[in-house]
Amino acid sequence: AQSVTQLDSQVPVFEEAPVELRCNYSSSVSVYLFWYVQYPNQGLQLLLKYLSGSTLVKGINGFEAEFNKSQTSFHLRKPSVHISDTAEYFCAVRTLSTDKLIFGTGTRLQVFP
Amino acid sequence: SQTIHQWPATLVQPVGSPLSLECTVEGTSNPNLYWYRQAAGRGLQLLFYSVGIGQISSEVPQNLSASRPQDRQFILSSKKLLLSDSGFYLCAWAPDRGYYEQYFGPGTRLTVT
Repeated sequence: AQSVTQLDSQVPVFEEAPVELRCNYSSSVSVYLFWYVQYPNQGLQLLLKYLSGSTLVKGINGFEAEFNKSQTSFHLRKPSVHISDTAEYFCAVRTLSTDKLIFGTGTRLQVFP
Repeated sequence: SQTIHQWPATLVQPVGSPLSLECTVEGTSNPNLYWYRQAAGRGLQLLFYSVGIGQISSEVPQNLSASRPQDRQFILSSKKLLLSDSGFYLCAWAPDRGYYEQYFGPGTRLTVT
């Protein structure tokens, strides 16, 4: 079975500072990996996804993530955050053999002026 | 393009009352459909998913049920609500093949009093 661990429940950061949100997964087979963002009282929006190929994936809003198979990680990064990036971020994983996504518990990113 | 709708947006119901939440998808056919619950401060819990009309898989035993009376309609119901049913309910869809990610609706905030 697959599982996802988001190590930080909250990450406070000042505006224009870099940020990294950590995600580790567990799986005995190859996986697809995703990051979603959720603004208050809204649904989830896909930020980026890793399916295959280049391990560095670029997404919307200036975010990027790097797939590291040896460390089973898929950390999300942004070189300079804005106040508008304040939201909940979810990492998710699925395998080819299932129609279901397995989500982490989320990381709340709080950007301060 | 495809769009997903959920209603109502917010709902306040007393304990013991019935529940019906609706989700519809436009612009696609035979989608996979999903119901998630997001409790305060917690991640997403998959409740039900459906790969076709009348085909429902339950992930977590509870007093909720789901139905899919039409191809692009997914309904979440309860005969008697519990306080623990409070939360943010999200519907999601995915194409029935050749897809990787899910697309989420705007959600329904349910408060059971």
